[in-house]
Amino acid sequence: QKEVEQDPGPLSVPEGAIVSLNCTYSNSAFQYFMWYRQYSRKGPELLMYTYSSGNKEDGRFTAQVDKSSKYISLFIRDSQPSDSATYLCAMEDFNKFYFGSGTKLNVKP
Amino acid sequence: SAVISQKPSRDICQRGTSLTIQCQVDSQVTMMFWYRQQPGQSLTLIATANQGSEATYESGFVIDKFPISRPNLTFSTLTVSNMSPEDSSIYLCSVDMGLASDTQYFGPGTRLTVL
Repeated sequence: QKEVEQDPGPLSVPEGAIVSLNCTYSNSAFQYFMWYRQYSRKGPELLMYTYSSGNKEDGRFTAQVDKSSKYISLFIRDSQPSDSATYLCAMEDFNKFYFGSGTKLNVKP
Repeated sequence: SAVISQKPSRDICQRGTSLTIQCQVDSQVTMMFWYRQQPGQSLTLIATANQGSEATYESGFVIDKFPISRPNLTFSTLTVSNMSPEDSSIYLCSVDMGLASDTQYFGPGTRLTVL
């Protein structure tokens, strides 16, 4: 079993839709949870990070962590074609990082 | 955050040769990491490079194949030695700023193709 599981997609939505991206994990020791956005032929860009359980909002993006279910989500409101990218979740335990395989998102104009 | 640059951005190499990838950060950082990302796959950690000590390699990666240098707090190199087509991948360096938030920032990556 992988440490972090993420649906690879692709996920295709119309512009303006609400997007939900999710990851599950197996290690209850994870404390930091991150979401990265990776455009084609670019390095991953840190979007948001949260510590422990709860929600965090930044503009159109909301990150949610449910440690009891070992489940994290990233919500994108009013999605734009510029949001089309691969989204990777990541988690940290004692300075070791574990990445999901990424979900490819396509927002159609 | 940190601004990270990598050189080269891409290269096409012949089997059996070696390529050295450079990673430069605009601020001093303790921990630098090297990852490999194959098409459609997640990031695989190759090694952690701390200044003043030997790099720590992950299972499946060895120093003879992927020697790493970390001469100071803003720079590191990764060499891919005796390359084969299986080494074709994107190689990424990243840094942990060591702040209250344990997060990593990535460079733009080096796209390597081995013929």
